[in-house]
Amino acid sequence: AQKVTQAQTEISVVEKEDVTLDCVYETRDTTYYLFWYKQPPSGELVFLIRRNSFDEQNEISGRYSWNFQKSTSSFNFTITASQVVDSAVYFCALLNTGGFKTIFGAGTRLFVKA
Amino acid sequence: DAGITQSPRHKVTETGTPVTLRCHQTENHRYMYWYRQDPGHGLRLIHYSYGVKDTDKGEVSDGYSVSRSKTEDFLLTLESATSSQTSVYFCAISSTDYRGPADNSPLHFGNGTRLTVT
Repeated sequence: AQKVTQAQTEISVVEKEDVTLDCVYETRDTTYYLFWYKQPPSGELVFLIRRNSFDEQNEISGRYSWNFQKSTSSFNFTITASQVVDSAVYFCALLNTGGFKTIFGAGTRLFVKA
Repeated sequence: DAGITQSPRHKVTETGTPVTLRCHQTENHRYMYWYRQDPGHGLRLIHYSYGVKDTDKGEVSDGYSVSRSKTEDFLLTLESATSSQTSVYFCAISSTDYRGPADNSPLHFGNGTRLTVT
């Protein structure tokens, strides 16, 4: 069975703090894809990043970085120097190759206070 | 802008009434999905479609049916709405159109439909 766990329900930080959102996944497949999506208070869902299971290189995009570790089945997301505009719900998701069903975690709500 | 329009954006209905939500895409993508979003559950897949008249169930399909008679339209029907179906419903398409049996693309979502069943 596939499963995505985001154990942090809510996180509150002060602007300029670094924050890491945890994501742990379960799958029996050797080939799969991991995603992060952002849902700001306005409600739309925005794709942030995709990683495939063969690529364990960390990725950095501006203040965002992602750490993928197959050994611990984790795909964590770090925001450096957080800003109020980062306040949103963040979802981690898993898609197995050969399937059509993207499985989402329950989400982590991030509050960034000015 | 992925060209996905959901209608209506908001709806209040009574228990036992039928409800149809519409998803329209302008991208000519093969794969379309319906998810529901509930607190504590994230997004859960209801049904998906991999082509005209080709649909399959997701993880929470009970009480829902879908139809896809044209590439651009994917309809979600609640035959007899219940209060447990109060939720926000999102339609999604894959961002690229793979021709093979698998699709590993990110999803692009519509703006959602907030449905309240009283």
